[in-house]
Amino acid sequence: KAGVTQTPRYLIKTRGQQVTLSCSPISGHRSVSWYQQTPGQGLQFLFEYFSETQRNKGNFPGRFSGRQFSNSRSEMNVSTLELGDSALYLCASSPTGGSTGELFFGEGSRLTVL
Amino acid sequence: TQLLEQSPQFLSIQEGENLTVYCNSSSVFSSLQWYRQEPGEGPVLLVTVVTGGEVKKLKRLTFQFGDARKDSSLHITAAQPGDTGLYLCAGLLYNQGGKLIFGQGTELSVKP
Repeated sequence: KAGVTQTPRYLIKTRGQQVTLSCSPISGHRSVSWYQQTPGQGLQFLFEYFSETQRNKGNFPGRFSGRQFSNSRSEMNVSTLELGDSALYLCASSPTGGSTGELFFGEGSRLTVL
Repeated sequence: TQLLEQSPQFLSIQEGENLTVYCNSSSVFSSLQWYRQEPGEGPVLLVTVVTGGEVKKLKRLTFQFGDARKDSSLHITAAQPGDTGLYLCAGLLYNQGGKLIFGQGTELSVKP
């Protein structure tokens, strides 16, 4: 069974640009959540989608957005990039709709903002 | 302020030693998970504890959920170099499905 796939794995952007990250969950998983991981803050919750609906959102500015498609694939977008947005962005899918906290993570997309 | 305090942040030990990692909060969690993350990879789920006072064993790893569901510990017996990695505790608050609160992580290094 294929795992969670995230693309791209690495990317470099400059301040002010925007970026779109993609996530394909494990087949059959309808819940997809996104986390930002930095050395200083650790893993922080961005948002969670279930059946194309955003069910939960973390404390991030409106520059961070996401969506989920009918096939459960998800994308997140960050507009007007800032240096502090440099991080590993992790996508995770869940077979239980996230109700038990058991998540299956992808390898992440490492974003560097210059 | 970190909702889930994890300690210690860094741990360097010799092969064969025992260790314990702690995760504490003032909040009550419906469940708590422990993950392990290696460089360049995403976190991998080790265990989920759901019931207050629950103890789960996974080979040399023992996980405990506090009676009040506010804290947890991970104990590794006879650590091996293959145990090296970042250990993360994560809690799920009631009615917050899909939103895990992560601790800062414990960077464990086991030297041969």
